[in-house]
Amino acid sequence: DAKTTQPNSMESNEEEPVHLPCNHSTISGTDYIHWYRQLPSQGPEYVIHGLTSNVNNRMASLAIAEDRKSSTLILHRATLRDAAVYYCILRATGTASKLTFGTGTRLQVTL
Amino acid sequence: GAVVSQHPSRVICKSGTSVKIECRSLDFQATTMFWYRQFPKQSLMLMATSNEGSKATYEQGVEKDKFLINHASLTLSTLTVTSAHPEDSSFYICSVMRTGTYEQYFGPGTRLTVT
Repeated sequence: DAKTTQPNSMESNEEEPVHLPCNHSTISGTDYIHWYRQLPSQGPEYVIHGLTSNVNNRMASLAIAEDRKSSTLILHRATLRDAAVYYCILRATGTASKLTFGTGTRLQVTL
Repeated sequence: GAVVSQHPSRVICKSGTSVKIECRSLDFQATTMFWYRQFPKQSLMLMATSNEGSKATYEQGVEKDKFLINHASLTLSTLTVTSAHPEDSSFYICSVMRTGTYEQYFGPGTRLTVT
């Protein structure tokens, strides 16, 4: 599986935008980029995914570099409820959709 | 509302006993479910892929005779931890894949403590 690299932790102030980076320099042409987040003592929650183009949904935006070797999850206005571990995961097309979780980025949001 | 449920949410058992954890898909039928384990302050590790009507596929290093998986219907998969030991204490999480898509929905997790 292609590997992703994320910072261990990040901090943000409430109501401010947050940019969570992810490097995936060995990504293959058919790998999708998925983001999940996990709140304390809960199962992961789907955030967003994309292939080549930038994506927006009600939770976040995903900006994908032109060479696809990196991506950034953007939370437009962080709230205390966004404090979680954010995982950037590559999923190969046509597999049984196994998700391999890395260590993720622990996001702290402060008032 | 919740798409996936797990039962129980928390269980404490004595060493040597077996524990069954249920994972239910509430909103759709799922031919494929996944079981993960997460130790404190660590990431999720995939244990096995549960396929309805066939044997589960286990990841390398996971003992299939210790972690029995049964996917008897399109909405239910069970994980039984047999002869549990304290080192099996962990957070067990299932996920459900919507058939025909690659969307995965995770359950709330089951915290197992073996004393």
